Amino acid sequence: GQNIDQPTEMTATEGAIVQINCTYQTSGFNGLFWYQQHAGEAPTFLSYNVLDGLEEKGRFSSFLSRSKGYSYLLLKELQMKDSASYLCAVRDQDYQLIWGAGTKLIIKP
Amino acid sequence: EADIYQTPRYLVIGTGKKITLECSQTMGHDKMYWYQQDPGMELHLIHYSYGVNSTEKGDLSSESTVSRIRTEHFPLTLESARPSHTSQYLCATSAGTGELFFGEGSRLTVL
Repeated sequence: GQNIDQPTEMTATEGAIVQINCTYQTSGFNGLFWYQQHAGEAPTFLSYNVLDGLEEKGRFSSFLSRSKGYSYLLLKELQMKDSASYLCAVRDQDYQLIWGAGTKLIIKP
Repeated sequence: EADIYQTPRYLVIGTGKKITLECSQTMGHDKMYWYQQDPGMELHLIHYSYGVNSTEKGDLSSESTVSRIRTEHFPLTLESARPSHTSQYLCATSAGTGELFFGEGSRLTVL
């Protein structure tokens, strides 16, 4: 079967750095996506990785290792508004998205 | 201003009723999707469409139908609602790059 694993919940302090991990086992691989979802709202796109390495976009970076089936999302200079769920999704060989259950990130002052 | 519109935003109905959730987009995207999401859980694909008159079933499609008569419109119909259908329904579009754009969702409660 196909599955995506992420920690259920993480807590971090405002101004700090947090790394959210995602491991996956899928039938084929055609890219990995990270989305942010605030409570009660729809997901919004954060990043996309298809090749190994780090993609940086402002305070957010995403890393991919295809050989290890592993990705992480790195959030720097945390702000209270970063409190949200972070969803990892992998596009499989049929170009269908397989979603993780998300990691709820709690930011404390 | 939203480019993907979902109505109704909230709906409470009784068991056995037929309901249609509307989704319209002004982005001109060919690909459209319906997802179901329970709190703290992953998104599950219900149906998708790659263009007019094209619809495909996802993982949770057996109790619902969709149509795609116009590029802009992708309604989802539940013929006979059950309490197990209580959930949030998210409509999304894609230009083909893989990035999904979501509507604000329709939160359905079936009593």
